[in-house]
Amino acid sequence: GQQLNQSPQSMFIQEGEDVSMNCTSSSIFNTWLWYKQDPGEGPVLLIALYKAGELTSNGRLTAQFGITRKDSFLNISASIPSDVGIYFCAGQGVYGGSQGNLIFGKGTKLSVKP
Amino acid sequence: EPEVTQTPSHQVTQMGQEVILRCVPISNHLYFYWYRQILGQKVEFLVSFYNNEISEKSEIFDDQFSVERPDGSNFTLKIRSTKLEDSAMYFCASSETRGRGLEQYFGPGTRLTVT
Repeated sequence: GQQLNQSPQSMFIQEGEDVSMNCTSSSIFNTWLWYKQDPGEGPVLLIALYKAGELTSNGRLTAQFGITRKDSFLNISASIPSDVGIYFCAGQGVYGGSQGNLIFGKGTKLSVKP
Repeated sequence: EPEVTQTPSHQVTQMGQEVILRCVPISNHLYFYWYRQILGQKVEFLVSFYNNEISEKSEIFDDQFSVERPDGSNFTLKIRSTKLEDSAMYFCASSETRGRGLEQYFGPGTRLTVT
């Protein structure tokens, strides 16, 4: 089935740094979504992307739907302590049977540098 | 802001017992989903539900699982005879539409522990 490769697996930030993470797939996706998950909680939707090439911002977050429809990135500018958490990309595929369910990446864990 | 709610937040059960996990989706949403997340792993799709029937299910969603919308607000996931490997966080999600309106909003989850 379709799979998403998310990188990096983890990263450490200092307050004020910019952060970048991405997701790639060997197959095409119709929709890309980015979620943040705090420990013990459900994923919270950050940004939704529907069109190849689309660039969308939500405050300090910016995400893009790759032109090839096989990748997406998420940038966080001027990070703050509450940005810590796990970020998941999720995609909706194009092929029959994938008309609603989301396929998730394995997540990028954002931590604060000691 | 409307949100998806789930109960209980934590359920402990013995192997072989039946459990029912409950969800109240966002009120004007029409599509409902269950996902699970084994500790430390990614979120995995189980089943989608629309117009009182299953739209799609994954290979994880075998005969031990069932879903139901017993009334106008609740959406439930039943596991008939739990196994140790069913221990996971179970998330309910809902969306207003599919396709271009595919923005799924997740509940806080139910942690299921099977002993």
